Amino acid sequence: GESVGLHLPTLSVQEGDNSIINCAYSNSASDYFIWYKQESGKGPQFIIDIRSNMDKRQGQRVTVLLNKTVKHLSLQIAATQPGDSAVYFCAENTGYSTLTFGKGTMLLVSP
Amino acid sequence: DAGVIQSPRHEVTEMGQEVTLRCKPISGHDYLFWYRQTMMRGLELLIYFNNNVPIDDSGMPEDRFSAKMPNASFSTLKIQPSEPRDSAVYFCASSSTRGTYGYTFGSGTRLTVV
Repeated sequence: GESVGLHLPTLSVQEGDNSIINCAYSNSASDYFIWYKQESGKGPQFIIDIRSNMDKRQGQRVTVLLNKTVKHLSLQIAATQPGDSAVYFCAENTGYSTLTFGKGTMLLVSP
Repeated sequence: DAGVIQSPRHEVTEMGQEVTLRCKPISGHDYLFWYRQTMMRGLELLIYFNNNVPIDDSGMPEDRFSAKMPNASFSTLKIQPSEPRDSAVYFCASSSTRGTYGYTFGSGTRLTVV
């Protein structure tokens, strides 16, 4: 879709593989993080969130890991499916601000 | 719940024309956000409202852009006059908080100015 494009980092995987999408954040004061999924032609959709008092949180087929020491966030998708193909954004918040969104990573899943 | 509803889904207009984008937030959400998404800049926050009051419009690119929220269930983003560089996807999002929980996004309006 128009919202994604040539400048996004891209991760290509085979169906059934596990996917890991990474995000580096810059504000050490950030205390809340979200992963969004955006399919072509649609708005960003909430996947999973994590607060800074945790380092791991699991959902259905997804796990978010937070490493505050190196300011790194990752999204793991188990048994990736073609329907997981989308752009994935991380977002952060420092409590008194609005969410700040990253540039996104495109995930391409081949059957 | 129907979610955040935006209209129109697509808009093609000529340079110099006025464009109005519309948004209906989720009932009960106190915050409403307007974003613009382009390949070059990603998601940019243009303006947000709390209880129908504009709180921060520092992201609005210039005076050609204006936004209103006359009541809790309706907001508009207007561009007058429109220019080709305004071509982008515009998203509306709503939330019960400014940022301590996630935002719910609409499906967006794809604007093309020719």
